Amino acid sequence: DVKVTQSSRYLVKRTGEKVFLECVQDMDHENMFWYRQDPGLGLRLIYFSYDVKMKEKGDIPEGYSVSREKKERFSLILESASTNQTSMYLCASSLAGEGSYNEQFFGPGTRLTVL
Amino acid sequence: AQKVTQAQTEISVVEKEDVTLDCVYETRDTTYYLFWYKQPPSGELVFLIRRNSFDEQNEISGRYSWNFQKSTSSFNFTITASQVVDSAVYFCALRSRTGANNLFFGTGTRLTVIP
Repeated sequence: DVKVTQSSRYLVKRTGEKVFLECVQDMDHENMFWYRQDPGLGLRLIYFSYDVKMKEKGDIPEGYSVSREKKERFSLILESASTNQTSMYLCASSLAGEGSYNEQFFGPGTRLTVL
Repeated sequence: AQKVTQAQTEISVVEKEDVTLDCVYETRDTTYYLFWYKQPPSGELVFLIRRNSFDEQNEISGRYSWNFQKSTSSFNFTITASQVVDSAVYFCALRSRTGANNLFFGTGTRLTVIP
């Protein structure tokens, strides 16, 4: 079974703090993704990565950065957390391939609260 | 542009009733992929089904069935004889063949099955 794990289920941080959200997958997937989920807005893509050290902006990258130093690990970084970044953050991974049919596998999510 | 609309925000049914969750999509691509995911209260999105744009065959898996109609750009999901364990948020998602590997999600439908 594909396993995507996220470092924390719940996280509380203060405004201005630097926040790291970690995601690890164990199925050697090339692609990894970070989404945020907000009520009434569904899931929105923040960043994705299709290879080590490669990244692409998603729909809402402002205020975030990412790091992928190893294939299995994809980190989301909030350089200076703000209250509007309070949200549920979901990591996903999938096999690669142009036009790939491959589904994404999701982690359990991290609910981040910024005070 | 890709867009997925799930007009039903919340649905409540009594156990054993049938329920259909609607999904309407927009894309200019001729090749694309459609997905349904389930998000139970635990938070982790669970993949249910995928369909490519050339396969309009409806599919049945146990109590679940999917109706894909290109003519109306819809990919509806029906649960027959609903159970309490079906209570969750259900997301429809779209991926085009070209460009990024990310999914475009609808805003989700929260299904509550009342015992």
